[in-house]
Amino acid sequence: DQQVKQNSPSLSVQEGRISILNCDYTNSMFDYFLWYKKYPAEGPTFLISISSIKDKNEDGRFTVFLNKSAKHLSLHIVPSQPGDSAVYFCAASVAGGSNYKRTFGKGTLLTVNP
Amino acid sequence: DVKVTQSSRYLVKRTGEKVFLECVQDMDHENMFWYRQDPGLGLRLIYFSYDVKMKEKGDIPEGYSVSREKKERFSLILESASTNQTSMYLCASSTARLSEQYFGPGTRLTVT
Repeated sequence: DQQVKQNSPSLSVQEGRISILNCDYTNSMFDYFLWYKKYPAEGPTFLISISSIKDKNEDGRFTVFLNKSAKHLSLHIVPSQPGDSAVYFCAASVAGGSNYKRTFGKGTLLTVNP
Repeated sequence: DVKVTQSSRYLVKRTGEKVFLECVQDMDHENMFWYRQDPGLGLRLIYFSYDVKMKEKGDIPEGYSVSREKKERFSLILESASTNQTSMYLCASSTARLSEQYFGPGTRLTVT
């Protein structure tokens, strides 16, 4: 059972416009969420995170929104740049206990066209 | 800067061979992880370790084992490689439980 879902395998946007990447989760115990970016032939790099006590976290051009009632989060990139073209993974984890695991979505390939 | 290194970027092995994938991190992180990434399946956790000699199974541990004899080094072992273990293998490390994970560049393993 896939607990973290990224239903759009790919997304294409024009440079300068907004990119919105979506992620849904089913496990109500998840309370910490992260976004990673991955270029081909490289490991993923951390982008931004959000705790369930917040509904928004912003870092420069990147903003993550969390809607706990809908079990939905989204990553907004404004303005999008060609260098943002990569695969974006959403990940979730459960605080407390001894659970160090993060559950990843399947990823969304973002292409930003010049 | 945190650095996570993996022993090989590309590896080709034959079915039935024993395969060792090595990962080293230089930031004294307590936690280390092994994932595999396959097209359409995202990242799936194989094993993780939260301390020296401590390990826990992830979501897909079958066919794999791990070893962590020193804090900085985490090894993934394929006891008898099979073609369905052809994949990109990613190692990661982290400090506290909720902190972000730092990934190595990956090892693309092909089993023929």
